[in-house]
Amino acid sequence: QSALTQPASVSGSPGQSITISCTGTSSDIGGYKYVSWYQQHPGKAPKLIIYDVSNRPLGVSDRFSASKSGNTASLSISGLQAEDEAIYYCSSYTNNNISFGGGTRLTVL
Amino acid sequence: EVQLVESGGGLVKPGGSLRLSCAASGFTFSSYSMIWVRQAPGKGLEWVSSISGRSSDIYYADSVKGRFTTSRDNAKSSLYLQMNSLRADDTAVYFCARVRGFSKFDPWGQGTLVTVSS
Repeated sequence: QSALTQPASVSGSPGQSITISCTGTSSDIGGYKYVSWYQQHPGKAPKLIIYDVSNRPLGVSDRFSASKSGNTASLSISGLQAEDEAIYYCSSYTNNNISFGGGTRLTVL
Repeated sequence: EVQLVESGGGLVKPGGSLRLSCAASGFTFSSYSMIWVRQAPGKGLEWVSSISGRSSDIYYADSVKGRFTTSRDNAKSSLYLQMNSLRADDTAVYFCARVRGFSKFDPWGQGTLVTVSS
């Protein structure tokens, strides 16, 4: 199972917007509508913030949005806040397996 | 409240065995697939295994296939991961998570640390 490709780090100032990409193949991201995103703060368990490409669970801020085009999924965060500083992971279902991206560290400057 | 609590982690020598447990509460455990995901120190998430609600479908990552066995006891609302022939690169925090659909892993437990070292 190959990991999905994410940038190692992104940064932005409070109030700004950022986008994190997640690149896979036609066997995972490109082949299914089953992409999800997780937020992980240091020492904590991952938290689901997006599922099925672009759906937000109840309680997740609408500052988080996501989409997919071809083999690449994207997570956008608008109106950056200090609490958004964390590592973000994408995930995709693929043929009875699950792939995760390597994670992107978001720094709020 | 939906909750998952892992236990059973610890220090084990290379080649040894360990059994992890994940106790579920707050939902009808048998109605959901479950997954194990691990995270090596300072590294990213790695899917380990998935199991359907009635244990009819069980899948493993290539890295653990033949060494790890996932099972569940729906009467006890518990998920298990039997880990044999442990190697140093199995050192990680192991999380369990509930699965809804194909991409909704929520919630996650707090994780249990497995350290494989002589």
